Amino acid sequence: DVKVTQSSRYLVKRTGEKVFLECVQDMDHENMFWYRQDPGLGLRLIYFSYDVKMKEKGDIPEGYSVSREKKERFSLILESASTNQTSMYLCASSLRAGYGYTFGSGTRLTVV
Amino acid sequence: SQQGEEDPQALSIQEGENATMNCSYKTSINNLQWYRQNSGRGLVHLILIRSNEREKHSGRLRVTLDTSKKSSSLLITASRAADTASYFCATDRTWGAQKLVFGQGTRLTINP
Repeated sequence: DVKVTQSSRYLVKRTGEKVFLECVQDMDHENMFWYRQDPGLGLRLIYFSYDVKMKEKGDIPEGYSVSREKKERFSLILESASTNQTSMYLCASSLRAGYGYTFGSGTRLTVV
Repeated sequence: SQQGEEDPQALSIQEGENATMNCSYKTSINNLQWYRQNSGRGLVHLILIRSNEREKHSGRLRVTLDTSKKSSSLLITASRAADTASYFCATDRTWGAQKLVFGQGTRLTINP
């Protein structure tokens, strides 16, 4: 089975800190995605990548950046964490267009 | 940009009964997917139905797709307590880079 691993299940950071969320997939998937999930707002796409070093903005990219230096790893970076970035962050990957996603277990980030 | 909308928002039934959840969407799609999320965890891919398919089965799951009405339904037969979860539909309008858009989900509770 494809596995998508997110580095932390729970994370607490201070306002203004630079935060790195790491995601690794082990099945040579082309596409990788970062979503955040908030009550009442559902899943919202932050950034996605369809190839190494390629990235595209999703619906809510402000305050975030991403890095994909290797095919298996997709990092989400909060340049200066703010309390409104407290959320559940979900990483996913897919083999290519037209296939289902495999999600990681999520990282619940709290910014204080 | 929410594409899919699930109905109902919450559903509570007795173990052994069938559960039906509906999804409506706004624009043409390449495929539609259903996911399950147990509380506080990542999403799990259940089934993918392509725009040229009308019905698909997987174990106790049955998915239908009506592209003329822009709607889909997920039927879970002979429900079990372990089916308690949130269920999301996601639409894929891929003609280019893949980018699923998720609905807000249906919270399903199976009472023993």
